[in-house]
Amino acid sequence: DAKTTQPTSMDCAEGRAANLPCNHSTISGNEYVYWYRQIHSQGPQYIIHGLKNNETNEMASLIITEDRKSSTLILPHATLRDTAVYYCIVRGNSGGGADGLTFGKGTHLIIQP
Amino acid sequence: EAGVTQSPTHLIKTRGQQATLRCSPISGHTSVYWYQQALGLGLQFLLWYDEGEERNRGNFPPRFSGRQFPNYSSELNVNALELEDSALYLCASSFYGGGNQPQHFGDGTRLSIL
Repeated sequence: DAKTTQPTSMDCAEGRAANLPCNHSTISGNEYVYWYRQIHSQGPQYIIHGLKNNETNEMASLIITEDRKSSTLILPHATLRDTAVYYCIVRGNSGGGADGLTFGKGTHLIIQP
Repeated sequence: EAGVTQSPTHLIKTRGQQATLRCSPISGHTSVYWYQQALGLGLQFLLWYDEGEERNRGNFPPRFSGRQFPNYSSELNVNALELEDSALYLCASSFYGGGNQPQHFGDGTRLSIL
């Protein structure tokens, strides 16, 4: 699976959009971009994933650049409860099935009141 | 819909003992994954089970083992416990498949070795 690079930490004001960048310059054509977040002492929470197209769900939007070498997770109206570590993960789709996710250090997003 | 459930929430053992951790996947999911989150080391993939078979394992010694039952629930067994096994052990489940199937996590079992 391709390696990802994320900023160590970011701040965002409550009510504003939080934009979390991720670089994955070595991503290959069949690899998906996944985002998870982990609030202290809880299990990681799945947020969203995509292959090529931009994706949106009730939690967030995922914008993937045309060359697929980077992506941005957007939380449209951040609340204090969005304070967490956010992980960007690239995951292969190798034939025959899935494997473990490779978690890096992630971005510690702090929402300021 | 119930999420992934893990038991016990906390487990305290001493060096050399064995620990058994349990996981119930989301209904309909056939794949179960185990991860270790030790302090300062981040989340590391341990094991993947699907349809009762071990499909893949991470870089952990053989004293970490497990099994998956016909109802798709799973056990993680850790033998000959060492102090460095103290960690949060997380279970995740998904539909069987490749990269397009998200894994959903439980809140883990915190294992403390005294």
